[in-house]
Amino acid sequence: GAVVSQHPSRVICKSGTSVKIECRSLDFQATTMFWYRQFPKQSLMLMATSNEGSKATYEQGVEKDKFLINHASLTLSTLTVTSAHPEDSSFYICSASGSGGAKDTQYFGPGTRLTVL
Amino acid sequence: AQSVTQLDSQVPVFEEAPVELRCNYSSSVSVYLFWYVQYPNQGLQLLLKYLSGSTLVKGINGFEAEFNKSQTSFHLRKPSVHISDTAEYFCAVIYTGGGNKLTFGTGTQLKVEL
Repeated sequence: GAVVSQHPSRVICKSGTSVKIECRSLDFQATTMFWYRQFPKQSLMLMATSNEGSKATYEQGVEKDKFLINHASLTLSTLTVTSAHPEDSSFYICSASGSGGAKDTQYFGPGTRLTVL
Repeated sequence: AQSVTQLDSQVPVFEEAPVELRCNYSSSVSVYLFWYVQYPNQGLQLLLKYLSGSTLVKGINGFEAEFNKSQTSFHLRKPSVHISDTAEYFCAVIYTGGGNKLTFGTGTQLKVEL
């Protein structure tokens, strides 16, 4: 199957700082990338959907000014958590899809564990 | 709102025993169905998916699932589990009338014991 990487795998930051998480599709071009958040022992919650070259579509309740998403190329999307606070601590997972169609499999990255002190 | 229900949060089972993980979804409209597995501190790996055709879908690692439209279910089964199957399993649905967003269930922790 296709491979999606995330960097970093773990990050610890101080409250008030910004953190950037990268999501890369290593062996295919990803028209669409998705960003999810997972709290301990809970399911994945979709935060936003990004299509290459256009603005991301955010789910209801997700602050677009706090969670900045950039999808500048067909292999890279970034999520920046701005002015992070302890409540932003979570496991962030991205997925990538080739065409973005409903039948297209989403390939998931290994996730990034963010801890805000 | 459309939802996915995994009634069992935890399923303990002995090695080599069969297992069934249950998944029900909320709507009878056209759907695509998926099962993902997540090992600790890792992302999700696709086990199998149903898009159309045969209602019995076979996936990796010996897992299979059956789509039952009348019961709006997509239960995951394995006839004989192994210790290495211990993980979190997520059922997910794409409601085709609502774009291509995956809606996840709350997950089932499968714990295989000796």
